[in-house]
Amino acid sequence: GENVEQHPSTLSVQEGDSAVIKCTYSDSASNYFPWYKQELGKGPQLIIDIRSNVGEKKDQRIAVTLNKTAKHFSLHITETQPEDSAVYFCAASSSSNYQLIWGAGTKLIIKP
Amino acid sequence: NAGVTQTPKFQVLKTGQSMTLQCAQDMNHNSMYWYRQDPGMGLRLIYYSASEGTTDKGEVPNGYNVSRLNKREFSLRLESAAPSQTSVYFCASSEADTQYFGPGTRLTVL
Repeated sequence: GENVEQHPSTLSVQEGDSAVIKCTYSDSASNYFPWYKQELGKGPQLIIDIRSNVGEKKDQRIAVTLNKTAKHFSLHITETQPEDSAVYFCAASSSSNYQLIWGAGTKLIIKP
Repeated sequence: NAGVTQTPKFQVLKTGQSMTLQCAQDMNHNSMYWYRQDPGMGLRLIYYSASEGTTDKGEVPNGYNVSRLNKREFSLRLESAAPSQTSVYFCASSEADTQYFGPGTRLTVL
């Protein structure tokens, strides 16, 4: 079955710098790759997603890139701000059943 | 729209007690899910319901049962709680592949 690995588990960056979180997946049939942000005490919230027919997607300060050949996708956050501090999860699914397989999460810390 | 709501927010049980976690969504989604979240392990799927009237096991179904009461509501039942079921439980719903989550229930089993 599908397996999603996420790195790093913790990332600390200076406010204003960029942050990059990487995920790899195993199932070549996976075609949907969302990223969720989870703030303390809350449920995960979708921040951006990408489908396998696209290599990159951008929404203001966040972007996601997908390399289907290498089976990895990454979240890029530029000009980080204190409110970006949270746990970020990547996931993958295929259109056969829409079940998401989740990475273990990355705790992003923005240092003032 | 309230989105996905869950009750209760917090619960403490003794080993062997039973309880039902409630979930409701007002987005008219067909699919609903129950996850548990443990430190360092991300989200693990317990059960899901692809549509009203159907339920299927996920990755970690042992010790749980579910009921898809109608299109809006999907409940999770612990028949005999164990300390290993101490976790944060999230309900989610989706129409296709994008899932929307509730605020979670923090359950402690003593």
